[in-house]
Amino acid sequence: ETGVTQTPRHLVMGMTNKKSLKCEQHLGHNAMYWYKQSAKKPLELMFVYNFKEQTENNSVPSRFSPECPNSSHLFLHLHTLQPEDSALYLCASSQHWTDGNTIYFGEGSWLTVV
Amino acid sequence: KQEVTQIPAALSVPEGENLVLNCSFTDSAIYNLQWFRQDPGKGLTSLLLIQSSQREQTSGRLNASLDKSSGRSTLYIAASQPGDSATYLCAVSQTNYGGSQGNLIFGKGTKLSVKP
Repeated sequence: ETGVTQTPRHLVMGMTNKKSLKCEQHLGHNAMYWYKQSAKKPLELMFVYNFKEQTENNSVPSRFSPECPNSSHLFLHLHTLQPEDSALYLCASSQHWTDGNTIYFGEGSWLTVV
Repeated sequence: KQEVTQIPAALSVPEGENLVLNCSFTDSAIYNLQWFRQDPGKGLTSLLLIQSSQREQTSGRLNASLDKSSGRSTLYIAASQPGDSATYLCAVSQTNYGGSQGNLIFGKGTKLSVKP
């Protein structure tokens, strides 16, 4: 248990569906992140939020829409996805965006787009 | 553009062996380097973090070294155990992002299997 909880753990959705991934951290951190892990590719940073403000959008398609209502919660809203978006989506948090301290990951949400 | 390479992609060793995992990066202007462990179907667990000013970090049977000028890091695992079987990932953060911990550039990982 890392203190970062992701739900659901597994999600299957059609290309026309709308779904959301949820992340919650219980560590009192101020920065939260979404990463994507595809087969045979390195982990890719998608979004960074620091004190609820988005600080990084790593050229992510608009079919992925993040939301950070407070420093403890982060959502990734999904709509009209493509099969190539099937991947493990990892949420992470750290004390601050630039403090150089350890980053903690959740266990991930496995997404399959059919 | 920073690129992180990990060699080998997979490694199988008998229990009790000492082993070394390698990580190389193309741009030496890093803020820090981290080693992570990922079990199948799970998230990442941070093992060791080395700041750019440091040469090594140790935790139990793990020792990570950093040679920033040559763009290399190694993770040494002593007396390997079957429970060490996992994928080990190396990641660097860049100084041009103000040392952003979140802007990690990852390698593809080394999949380690320790046989009993």
